[in-house]
Amino acid sequence: AQTVTQSQPEMSVQEAETVTLSCTYDTSENNYYLFWYKQPPSRQMILVIRQEAYKQQNATENRFSVNFQKAAKSFSLKISDSQLGDTAMYFCAFHGQNFVFGPGTRLSVLP
Amino acid sequence: DAGVIQSPRHEVTEMGQEVTLRCKPISGHNSLFWYRQTMMRGLELLIYFNNNVPIDDSGMPEDRFSAKMPNASFSTLKIQPSEPRDSAVYFCASSLDGGLNTEAFFGQGTRLTVV
Repeated sequence: AQTVTQSQPEMSVQEAETVTLSCTYDTSENNYYLFWYKQPPSRQMILVIRQEAYKQQNATENRFSVNFQKAAKSFSLKISDSQLGDTAMYFCAFHGQNFVFGPGTRLSVLP
Repeated sequence: DAGVIQSPRHEVTEMGQEVTLRCKPISGHNSLFWYRQTMMRGLELLIYFNNNVPIDDSGMPEDRFSAKMPNASFSTLKIQPSEPRDSAVYFCASSLDGGLNTEAFFGQGTRLTVV
């Protein structure tokens, strides 16, 4: 079975600064995708970014980028120029045989 | 498309009562997931359907929980009898099968409170 671990239950960052959220996973599968989702207080789950496991190039979406280390099974999310609207729970997710989520990191962006 | 639609948004029920949560996936999506979110356990995958067939129900906590998908546009998650520890937010999500790169689209969730 796949497991996803996020070792930082809570983090905070000053507005305009950069923050990195960590994620590790465990799987025996070779073909899979990884995702980061954001859950603001509205409770809606919003896709932030996705990464293909067979691509070495790290995915980037505007201020969001990932550092994907396949051998280490690590998939961290970097948020640059943090904004107040980035305050949310962030979930790392693994999509292989199943679609499994990590426990989440609560990020607070401070003014 | 209106997205994944869940009903009700909120449900308060007494211990021992039957609870039914409903989900309408996005039209054309053929994978459907039920998740439970709590502070203690995070987002747990309960069951996963593909083309209306349950593929993996290993996350269903007990026999009190059951899920059905009678057709491609409707699924239910039933708890009978309900217990206070079932209080959580239950999410339904759907995705387009055939590609691991397809994201899961989530509904707004049902907040269940069992008193």
